[in-house]
Amino acid sequence: DTEVTQTPKHLVMGMTNKKSLKCEQHMGHRAMYWYKQKAKKPPELMFVYSYEKLSINESVPSRFSPECPNSSLLNLHLHALQPEDSALYLCASSHEHWDRASVRGYTFGSGTRLTVV
Amino acid sequence: AQSVTQLGSHVSVSEGALVLLRCNYSSSVPPYLFWYVQYPNQGLQLLLKYTTGATLVKGINGFEAEFKKSETSFHLTKPSAHMSDAAEYFCAVTLTNTGNQFYFGTGTSLTVIP
Repeated sequence: DTEVTQTPKHLVMGMTNKKSLKCEQHMGHRAMYWYKQKAKKPPELMFVYSYEKLSINESVPSRFSPECPNSSLLNLHLHALQPEDSALYLCASSHEHWDRASVRGYTFGSGTRLTVV
Repeated sequence: AQSVTQLGSHVSVSEGALVLLRCNYSSSVPPYLFWYVQYPNQGLQLLLKYTTGATLVKGINGFEAEFKKSETSFHLTKPSAHMSDAAEYFCAVTLTNTGNQFYFGTGTSLTVIP
């Protein structure tokens, strides 16, 4: 299995809702990532998990709460979002060591298209 | 500081023509370089990457790129454009001293004219 699977593919939520995005991989990668991508813009790194521990938080607002319950799963919990949070949210995974990650590559999921109304 | 610059946010080519998408990086340490493609409403797919070794790298779908250290460039080319090549292309770099972080360029939208 060489894929990163993200669910749901599309999500519409109100500003008072609580929802979660899910990401799953079975490649044995121990580094997982959340990116946010606005239309016609490059992906922006939000969080990095290494060995199920949060290693990088790029100053993301607390209304986004990541969770890595095991080595295959990565969640992004959403609460009290704003309309400007509407975007494509991409999950990625890689080998946990940066040099091997770079050699072997980072694998991206197809993303969750989030719309906040 | 490091950055990745993609010259030309929009590139249009005729079907069958040469595709050239430009990428320059600024880095004081050896970089690893990547090109990703993104089709509408999809995630990112790796086209090719340069880490070490041969500076001319061949990727999927007939694309290739050449790492030129003297020019700090990693331009993406394809001899003959196909309609299915229309997509957003991102150049990205990881550096040998920053761990698991990607730095993406701003992207180039490729249009293929029939």
